[in-house]
Amino acid sequence: EAGVAQSPRYKIIEKRQSVAFWCNPISGHATLYWYQQILGQGPKLLIQFQNNGVVDDSQLPKDRFSAERLKGVDSTLKIQPAKLEDSAVYLCASSWVSYNEQFFGPGTRLTVL
Amino acid sequence: DAKTTQPNSMESNEEEPVHLPCNHSTISGTDYIHWYRQLPSQGPEYVIHGLTSNVNNRMASLAIAEDRKSSTLILHRATLRDAAVYYCILLITSGTYKYIFGTGTRLKVLA
Repeated sequence: EAGVAQSPRYKIIEKRQSVAFWCNPISGHATLYWYQQILGQGPKLLIQFQNNGVVDDSQLPKDRFSAERLKGVDSTLKIQPAKLEDSAVYLCASSWVSYNEQFFGPGTRLTVL
Repeated sequence: DAKTTQPNSMESNEEEPVHLPCNHSTISGTDYIHWYRQLPSQGPEYVIHGLTSNVNNRMASLAIAEDRKSSTLILHRATLRDAAVYYCILLITSGTYKYIFGTGTRLKVLA
């Protein structure tokens, strides 16, 4: 089966610019996650969707980050405006249901200058 | 938040067994213990999980202490391809099911 797809793989922007990341989960997976992984740290959950509804966004900086999952399939994560500390790898993952193993995409490496 | 504690790094010789320890003293009775690993420039991948009993699969074995406050991931014969960061994670089952990742153990495999 095809894995989780993410694009772009790399993105370099200047601070205060906007950026968007796209994720296509494994077909049929109801739960979708966005994680932020800063260099040298483990992934941190930003937001979790169940179908197209938000289940947990307690660690999403809502003043600058937004995410949506239209029609319960693809998802986009947006940062507007970006700060230097947003430089990280953004990982998307999906699972059949929230307590099953998660399948991760390759991530998008964001560099904010 | 529930937390796991792992050594920052470990080394192993190729084709020898590796025991990766994890402490999770704040685990609650319904939390699952999951292990993932992350190869360089890739997303994490699932290795194994358990609740109370020891578990085996094609990749590894998971030994869980009787009091569940610690666990050990066992790679039976390390290969160079096993060099990765290994994360011990609690799956919190109260409220929304979610992972809390720690900083993991970086495993180096020596040829």
